[in-house]
Parts: sequence; structure tokens; C-alpha cells
Amino acid sequence: AQTVTQSQPEMSVQEAETVTLSCTYDTSENNYYLFWYKQPPSRQMILVIRQEAYKQQNATENRFSVNFQKAAKSFSLKISDSQLGDTAMYFCAFTGNQFYFGTGTSLTVIP
Amino acid sequence: NAGVMQNPRHLVRRRGQEARLRCSPMKGHSHVYWYRQLPEEGLKFMVYLQKENIIDESGMPKERFSAEFPKEGPSILRIQQVVRGDSAAYFCASSRVVGSGAADTQYFGPGTRLTVL
Repeated sequence: AQTVTQSQPEMSVQEAETVTLSCTYDTSENNYYLFWYKQPPSRQMILVIRQEAYKQQNATENRFSVNFQKAAKSFSLKISDSQLGDTAMYFCAFTGNQFYFGTGTSLTVIP
Repeated sequence: NAGVMQNPRHLVRRRGQEARLRCSPMKGHSHVYWYRQLPEEGLKFMVYLQKENIIDESGMPKERFSAEFPKEGPSILRIQQVVRGDSAAYFCASSRVVGSGAADTQYFGPGTRLTVL
């Protein structure tokens, strides 16, 4: 079975600090993509960052970076210099032959 | 380049009525996905379509739900004889195809909030 697990339902971080959200997945596929999406109170799903499984280099987008450990099937998201606008639900997602989302981590940035 | 469009944004139906949700993918995207999000939960995959083909409907309830993506026009998610448990946000996403044939990044529409009275 293919699943995506986010073990932290809620997290908080002080503004300007760094926070890491964890995600693990299970798959027998070799070619797939991993994503982090952000869902703010507006409920719009916004792509934060993506990683191709065949690439060893960790993806980075400005203040957002991932730690992709393919052997361990781990895909954590690090947010540096947290801002109030980062407050949202964050979903880890897997796409290969099928499509799975984690249950989400609610992140609150505290002023 | 317009993003993924969904309409209506809000839909209210009484029990037993039909709900039709529409999704227009981004220009150049040939794959459409439908997801359901219940309150305080994550997204659950429902169906994956290409033009005129259902590729994967493993997440679709067996009864009352159907989806199509015709050659012309938007993708439609249809829910017949709605019940209160169908109340949810329904998100559509679209992607293009990459060289390997795999689907690329999914971009999401704003969602349709269905309320069944």
C-alpha cells in the first residue's frame, strides 16, 4: 500500500525562527514526485515545493527547503525565517501511479 | 495564463438533489484530478482523468458519483441524490504530462464548497 504520514498534527514557531515539518511515505515505485502544499485560511491549495525522486539534490525555494532521504522514505520541509504569512495547514503529497496526501500539519507562526 | 478554474465556488443543495461541479484546467494541461476535503481533514483522491478517458477512479464512491472530461469543455464531477455526508470542499487539480509519461506537478483550483441541507 502507498501511504503518506505526517506525524505532527500541530506545530508552532516563533516569528523569524526555523521549523521542520516531517513526512514519511511508503511506496514500491521507483519514479515519483513528492510535494509540499500549503493551505492558508482561504483554503486555496498552494504549491510550496516539489522534489523528483530520481534527483538526489534537495529542492530549495527561497526560505523553504526539503530534506529528502529516499532510502528512508522521508521528506521533511524546513521553513527558515518563519513569517506570519506562513501560518497554514501544510500537506505532504506523493504522486506516482496514484496520488496520496498526508493528513496535514497545522503550523502557527507566533509574533 | 489563467490558473485552474472551478465553479461554482459555493453550492447549496437539498438532500436528494443533484450537484454538478465544473473544472477548467490550466492551458496546456491534459490531466485533471478531483479531490474531496472533509472539514478538518486532508485531501482524499477521488478520480484522475484525461480527455475523454477515466484513468483512475479508485477513490470514487461506487454509487451516485461520476466524473467526465469531454473533448471540449470543462471536467464535470456529478453527485446524484446528494446526502448530508457529501458536504465538503471539492478540489480540482490539473497537470501536464512529462516526457516519461508521468504526470507533472498538480496545480489546484480554489475549490467548490458543497453544502447539503
